[in-house]
Amino acid sequence: GNSVTQMEGPVTLSEEAFLTINCTYTATGYPSLFWYVQYPGEGLQLLLKATKADDKGSNKGFEATYRKETTSFHLEKGSVQVSDSAVYFCARGSGGGADGLTFGKGTHLIIQP
Amino acid sequence: NAGVMQNPRHLVRRRGQEARLRCSPVKGHSHVYWYRQLPEEGLKFMVYLQKENIIDESGMPKERFSAEFPKEGPSILRIQQVVRGDSAAYFCASSLGRGQNQPQHFGDGTRLSIL
Repeated sequence: GNSVTQMEGPVTLSEEAFLTINCTYTATGYPSLFWYVQYPGEGLQLLLKATKADDKGSNKGFEATYRKETTSFHLEKGSVQVSDSAVYFCARGSGGGADGLTFGKGTHLIIQP
Repeated sequence: NAGVMQNPRHLVRRRGQEARLRCSPVKGHSHVYWYRQLPEEGLKFMVYLQKENIIDESGMPKERFSAEFPKEGPSILRIQQVVRGDSAAYFCASSLGRGQNQPQHFGDGTRLSIL
């Protein structure tokens, strides 16, 4: 079945550091790929998405490129801020089957001043 | 422009009671999804509904759980005879259309605690 694997957290970085959160997905169908962010006590907010191979999603300084050859969708940001502290979820669409998203377990990011 | 509204935000039930979780989608959205998030886990898809129809319930437990999205009013996720293992955060999402490229907008969730 479909699955998403992302790096375990927590990830602790200093402000202005470079961020990478790894994400890989099972290569069934032609899924769209997503990164969601969850702040404490809130629901998930869509951060960025990519719908086909080699697409790059970007938003608020975050980027992720859909890599079909490595089945990856790693999240990157060049200079993180304290306000980026949150839990980040990688997710894949169905690829044409069911309509629910499949999520990774989430990576807790902590940015220290 | 109200987003997805879920209520209550927190719900406490004793074992054996019923839990009813409500979700009002973004205005104009007719597609609703329910997910469950266990502690330290990602969200797991439960059910997808369009107005008055269940389209995909492949992630929903076969017993005690049911969902509806009536013509008028919010979507309801109902859990009968709750057990400790039902303690989780339940999130609702809505979308304008169907398909994986339609962004899903999430509510803030209902945190269910079973005593």
